[in-house]
Amino acid sequence: GAVVSQHPSWVICKSGTSVKIECRSLDFQATTMFWYRQFPKQSLMLMATSNEGSKATYEQGVEKDKFLINHASLTLSTLTVTSAHPEDSSFYICSASGAGATGELFFGEGSRLTVL
Amino acid sequence: DQQVKQNSPSLSVQEGRISILNCDYTNSMFDYFLWYKKYPAEGPTFLISISSIKDKNEDGRFTVFLNKSAKHLSLHIVPSQPGDSAVYFCAASAQNRDDKIIFGKGTRLHILP
Repeated sequence: GAVVSQHPSWVICKSGTSVKIECRSLDFQATTMFWYRQFPKQSLMLMATSNEGSKATYEQGVEKDKFLINHASLTLSTLTVTSAHPEDSSFYICSASGAGATGELFFGEGSRLTVL
Repeated sequence: DQQVKQNSPSLSVQEGRISILNCDYTNSMFDYFLWYKKYPAEGPTFLISISSIKDKNEDGRFTVFLNKSAKHLSLHIVPSQPGDSAVYFCAASAQNRDDKIIFGKGTRLHILP
């Protein structure tokens, strides 16, 4: 089956720094990628939807200037958490779907961000 | 090694009947289970969840059953409606370890008229 890889799987950074998380589709072209944030004891929260070559569509309440999403190619999307704060500490998970997909979605393994 | 398995890639059910989607897991540390529903070209939306301290959780037409000894959960939809046609993802996490959510590969449900 299709594989979506996230890197890094975990990262620790200091408050005020920026962190980039990559999401790659390894064996298919992902026209659409989704970024989620997981809160403790809660389900995933969709942060944004990104389509290759266009600006990401952010969900209400998600700061687009803080969570920069780039989907420059059909196999790579990046999420950059800018000026990270301890409250940004969380799991960030991406998923990807291919061209013409009728619902198939493949999830990455997640990236755990800890901001000190 | 898949920790969350949905062995049926697709399922067809007559409108008005019961849809049963199955999910198996291997990690005994999982204590929180979720179902997500996804329409084409949209992100998945949360449907229903269950904690391992329960064996059943019901929300309207949707009921999730958990069998911890068998490491198996199922989602029942009754009665099935045309709008239920979608891909359903089973997911699990070890909340007591503040661990990430692990997803199954999904089951495509077709509701037949």
